[in-house]
Amino acid sequence: ETGVTQTPRHLVMGMTNKKSLKCEQHLGHNAMYWYKQSAKKPLELMFVYNFKEQTENNSVPSRFSPECPNSSHLFLHLHTLQPEDSALYLCASSQSPGELFFGEGSRLTVL
Amino acid sequence: AQSVTQLDSHVSVSEGTPVLLRCNYSSSYSPSLFWYVQHPNKGLQLLLKYTSAATLVKGINGFEAEFKKSETSFHLTKPSAHMSDAAEYFCVVREYGGSQGNLIFGKGTKLSVKP
Repeated sequence: ETGVTQTPRHLVMGMTNKKSLKCEQHLGHNAMYWYKQSAKKPLELMFVYNFKEQTENNSVPSRFSPECPNSSHLFLHLHTLQPEDSALYLCASSQSPGELFFGEGSRLTVL
Repeated sequence: AQSVTQLDSHVSVSEGTPVLLRCNYSSSYSPSLFWYVQHPNKGLQLLLKYTSAATLVKGINGFEAEFKKSETSFHLTKPSAHMSDAAEYFCVVREYGGSQGNLIFGKGTKLSVKP
């Protein structure tokens, strides 16, 4: 139990589907993150939220749309994705810079 | 600009033998350095961190790392490998004063432990 819960753990979607990934943290942290992990590539930061406000958007395509309704919940809305978007999407939270607490990830496959 | 290089993509050791996972970094200012571990089908977990205090840092599960400024290295070691150490390990650098998202992850080193 890491304190950060991601659902669903696995998701298969077509390129025209709309789906959402959900992340919930029970640690009382102020910051939440979305990362993309692809095979043989370094972890890629997608978005950062601080106290519900988006503070970083790392040039992510608009087909990925984050939402942070409160400091404990983070969503990633997915729309018209491409096969190259297939990856493990990791949510993390933190209170201290650099000290991230990760969820177990949502494995996304785009057909 | 900051960067991090993990010198080995794959390291294989026998159970009970020492582990050495190498990491070199580049940073313009005083960096913070971290090691994370990822077990199969799991998220990443913080093993240890260096933030300008003691240069030898001890982490969880018997791991430690030494910050060597002259060599710009932050290698991860463990005296005796256990089967449960088999996982992927990531070296991470953050520049002092950088934004919260300004972490640079290495490409990872996969550690295999043979019985």
